[in-house]
Amino acid sequence: DGGITQSPKYLFRKEGQNVTLSCEQNLNHDAMYWYRQDPGQGLRLIYYSQIVNDFQKGDIAEGYSVSREKKESFPLTVTSAQKNPTAFYLCASTPPEASALVNTEAFFGQGTRLTVV
Amino acid sequence: AQKVTQAQTEISVVEKEDVTLDCVYETRDTTYYLFWYKQPPSGELVFLIRRNSFDEQNEISGRYSWNFQKSTSSFNFTITASQVVDSAVYFCALSEAHGSGYSTLTFGKGTMLLVSP
Repeated sequence: DGGITQSPKYLFRKEGQNVTLSCEQNLNHDAMYWYRQDPGQGLRLIYYSQIVNDFQKGDIAEGYSVSREKKESFPLTVTSAQKNPTAFYLCASTPPEASALVNTEAFFGQGTRLTVV
Repeated sequence: AQKVTQAQTEISVVEKEDVTLDCVYETRDTTYYLFWYKQPPSGELVFLIRRNSFDEQNEISGRYSWNFQKSTSSFNFTITASQVVDSAVYFCALSEAHGSGYSTLTFGKGTMLLVSP
């Protein structure tokens, strides 16, 4: 079945550590996105990538890094510079016939819940 | 900057009641798209509807209906005869065009709907 797979579902991080969240899609989508969700705050855009080897900062990119070496994969690294990383992280992608979300909806993964211990 | 406001943080209804979720948006774009997503307890966002700024016709899909009023910048969502399975967080979102020609989504903070038997 086609879809977006995020792993792990739950992740615990010690303060000062970097952690990487995985996002893989087999939908042949060009664009991929990372959002952060905090209780009562909705979803906020961290990074997005329209094509391989290119990505753009979103509204809250500080303390995060990404790479897009393959079309199918868009991993997110939460670095030690991110002061409050505990949150729910959602990855999304959009189909190749539209370079902009204006033409279609985004498909979301099931999320990774990151907790700092 | 674009903004989406969902003033209702939480709504509680009894099964079979009708319920309306409000969404008000701000944008300077003349062409834009509005979306509604459902987030059940599992966490994944489920696409419900996409509406472009030139189409103000109301839409009905089963028990769901949407009222788009450009004059008041609102895109409200009504569930008729609510069911327990409708319990979820509902997000309204607005497409945001970037200078690069691509778009991302700006989300509201969400409305949690609790439907009790």
